[in-house]
Amino acid sequence: SQTIHQWPATLVQPVGSPLSLECTVEGTSNPNLYWYRQAAGRGLQLLFYSVGIGQISSEVPQNLSASRPQDRQFILSSKKLLLSDSGFYLCASHPPGQKSEQYFGPGTRLTVT
Amino acid sequence: QKEVEQDPGPLSVPEGAIVSLNCTYSNSAFQYFMWYRQYSRKGPELLMYTYSSGNKEDGRFTAQVDKSSKYISLFIRDSQPSDSATYLCAMSAGGSYIPTFGRGTSLIVHP
Repeated sequence: SQTIHQWPATLVQPVGSPLSLECTVEGTSNPNLYWYRQAAGRGLQLLFYSVGIGQISSEVPQNLSASRPQDRQFILSSKKLLLSDSGFYLCASHPPGQKSEQYFGPGTRLTVT
Repeated sequence: QKEVEQDPGPLSVPEGAIVSLNCTYSNSAFQYFMWYRQYSRKGPELLMYTYSSGNKEDGRFTAQVDKSSKYISLFIRDSQPSDSATYLCAMSAGGSYIPTFGRGTSLIVHP
């Protein structure tokens, strides 16, 4: 079975500062990877997904970007954080051969002050 | 109309009750249906996964899909305080690997 790691677990950053969140996956190869944001009391918002190294699809235009430098590594970045970037960021993996189910990491709670 | 509708709750029940959590959807192409459990400040955990219509049982949990009514349910028997969490439904069409999620229902099971 696969394991998804995310770090840091919590982060407090001032407005205008850069951001880098990392996600790594163990126990599978060539997964589809996803970044979601979950705001308080709201559903999951898909931000980016990747079907392979260097392949990134953006679902929501904003000041965030994503990169996949290795097969099982997915990074979420920003050059300048906004207050509205606060939220719970979740990385998810869809292993090859599975129909639709995604598996989630523990999440990173970001507070922009 | 949202593609997937889910009552946010909270739903409060006494320990031992049978819980029914539901989602409705509008996209008739959805074929794969999932339920996730999310504890506070944690990532969602896949609970149940079903394909097309019918029932699937796993311990105290039963997932039910009625494609003719575009309605899915998750039943929890003999509910426990440890079942207190937010339950998210998710579904996707064949050939698509990106599920559409409901907003989640908050469940509180009190002793």
